[in-house]
Amino acid sequence: SAVISQKPSRDICQRGTSLTIQCQVDSQVTMMFWYRQQPGQSLTLIATANQGSEATYESGFVIDKFPISRPNLTFSTLTVSNMSPEDSSIYLCSVEGASSGDYNEQFFGPGTRLTVL
Amino acid sequence: GDSVTQMEGPVTLSEEAFLTINCTYTATGYPSLFWYVQYPGEGLQLLLKATKADDKGSNKGFEATYRKETTSFHLEKGSVQVSDSAVYFCALNTGANSKLTFGKGITLSVRP
Repeated sequence: SAVISQKPSRDICQRGTSLTIQCQVDSQVTMMFWYRQQPGQSLTLIATANQGSEATYESGFVIDKFPISRPNLTFSTLTVSNMSPEDSSIYLCSVEGASSGDYNEQFFGPGTRLTVL
Repeated sequence: GDSVTQMEGPVTLSEEAFLTINCTYTATGYPSLFWYVQYPGEGLQLLLKATKADDKGSNKGFEATYRKETTSFHLEKGSVQVSDSAVYFCALNTGANSKLTFGKGITLSVRP
């Protein structure tokens, strides 16, 4: 399994500002994922980030709002731009684990709890 | 598109009670199925998985069997403990871009 850390663990931000969330993995991985978990809701995939290419965004998420960087195989950042209270969520990064079959399982970071006032 | 449906919660049980959490899915192709658990204040952890029909995943006393005929992956435990109190998510992965599709999650509270 992979060990994943995220910074910050939580933050309280003002409307209209931006926050960058960092995700660090203890091993090199090809694919990293960013999810959002709104209060009382399930996880929704925001985008998939591969090193050396543009992130692939899911329907309803755009690069201007959630720019992602993937500078190397162990690190990624997600920025939540021009925040509003509706962006208050837990943001999680995940990585694919070692293949043990046809499909890879994913390991998740501890999450970043964001509150926008 | 792919989807996962979990039974409505929350669920409250007494210690040592039997647990069943229902999960059904809709998917193109042949998905792998997962149960993830989120303990209070912690991140998401993989609890168990099954990659093909009739496979049984098991871990920490929890079990789930991949039933292709009923498109289900129900989670069971014979005797729950207070430490099992958490949110449980059913999920699937069809391998297309490795995307995980999650159910809504269900909160389990176990009373002493």
